[in-house]
Amino acid sequence: NAGVTQTPKFQVLKTGQSMTLQCAQDMNHEYMSWYRQDPGMGLRLIHYSVGAGITDQGEVPNGYNVSRSTTEDFPLRLLSAAPSQTSVYFCASSYGSTGPLHFGNGTRLTVT
Amino acid sequence: DQQVKQNSPSLSVQEGRISILNCDYTNSMFDYFLWYKKYPAEGPTFLISISSIKDKNEDGRFTVFLNKSAKHLSLHIVPSQPGDSAVYFCAASDNNAGNMLTFGGGTRLMVKP
Repeated sequence: NAGVTQTPKFQVLKTGQSMTLQCAQDMNHEYMSWYRQDPGMGLRLIHYSVGAGITDQGEVPNGYNVSRSTTEDFPLRLLSAAPSQTSVYFCASSYGSTGPLHFGNGTRLTVT
Repeated sequence: DQQVKQNSPSLSVQEGRISILNCDYTNSMFDYFLWYKKYPAEGPTFLISISSIKDKNEDGRFTVFLNKSAKHLSLHIVPSQPGDSAVYFCAASDNNAGNMLTFGGGTRLMVKP
């Protein structure tokens, strides 16, 4: 099983550019989420989804959009990248609400 | 203000000895706590969890202790092995579930051979 797959692994953007971070899971998990990891801050929840067609905001949602058209995929969109969005982004999924979360290997994003 | 804090950014331990990683939290609504382990260039992986109705949970070499009155939990690794060298994140949830998590800043554990 691939588990949670994130693409790309690395990305460099210029301020104002847009991009989509891809996340796919093959475990038939209903719950999916996006976190960002910054030094000393741990991981902070950006957006989450409890099933196809349902999304909600986490702790730090500003500047990010999500959609969930299928159970497998949960892309994260940056509409206009800012240097403050330089971070490592992790996608995670779990079976229902009981967890625990299974994480992908992350996307390292640099915004210049 | 961070609701989950790991005040030691790093910890160095000799192989075979005990590693103790600490975590403090401020939100009294947290009712489920987890530890994740993270190697470089990989995502965090689940290690062990504990519900607020317990004060101890063991899984092999790993034991988590919860002191609700002090809002403190700790992870004990005995004996420590070089393969345990990683960053350890403490996380908490307020919906008795393991998915919507608030994470601490992490502690880098180095186990020396």
